[in-house]
Amino acid sequence: DTGVSQDPRHKITKRGQNVTFRCDPISEHNRLYWYRQTLGQGPEFLTYFQNEAQLEKSRLLSDRFSAERPKGSFSTLEIQRTEQGDSAMYLCASSLGDYNEQFFGPGTRLTVL
Amino acid sequence: SQELEQSPQSLIVQEGKNLTINCTSSKTLYGLYWYKQKYGEGLIFLMMLQKGGEEKSHEKITAKLDEKKQQSSLHITASQPSHAGIYLCGADKEYSGGGADGLTFGKGTHLIIQP
Repeated sequence: DTGVSQDPRHKITKRGQNVTFRCDPISEHNRLYWYRQTLGQGPEFLTYFQNEAQLEKSRLLSDRFSAERPKGSFSTLEIQRTEQGDSAMYLCASSLGDYNEQFFGPGTRLTVL
Repeated sequence: SQELEQSPQSLIVQEGKNLTINCTSSKTLYGLYWYKQKYGEGLIFLMMLQKGGEEKSHEKITAKLDEKKQQSSLHITASQPSHAGIYLCGADKEYSGGGADGLTFGKGTHLIIQP
């Protein structure tokens, strides 16, 4: 499968715990995006990378959130001290070059108890 | 900030019927993207529109961007059960002028196909 993959697909955690999600983009894609989607809403942009550089962060990305793309390939999104309001689907997408056709992964569903 | 409003919020259509979903922007659209999402899954890219008056088709789905580039419609002909899902429109940020950064999405239209 050469699409965008995300791991894990589901994560249940207790409030206050840290969680980390991984995204593997389509191999030749240089841009990688993170979005958050809550029930009944469209995806909300969190941050994006061009190669290993993080170029934009949404104001939704509080200090508890951090994202990395160390070698310009896979990316991780970490949430520290999770809160119930962090429960959502976290989506990763990738795109190539100047084109903004973003291809999405299956998402990681986070439930914070 | 740019907002995208989709209508209707939900739609129940008998199999075989045609349907239209609309996406309206508060500001000029530089790039408009249509995606489909199955419940609890990721988004599947359908089509991208950039030019005023542009129209694209794929199988039984046709998307159009109006001349003023503030509204797009998605039309499905002879609907099938496989068309069921959530249809989302997304747009390039206005200040990016079409650059490749994060998209702004509408809330989606839930489509149910009745056999």
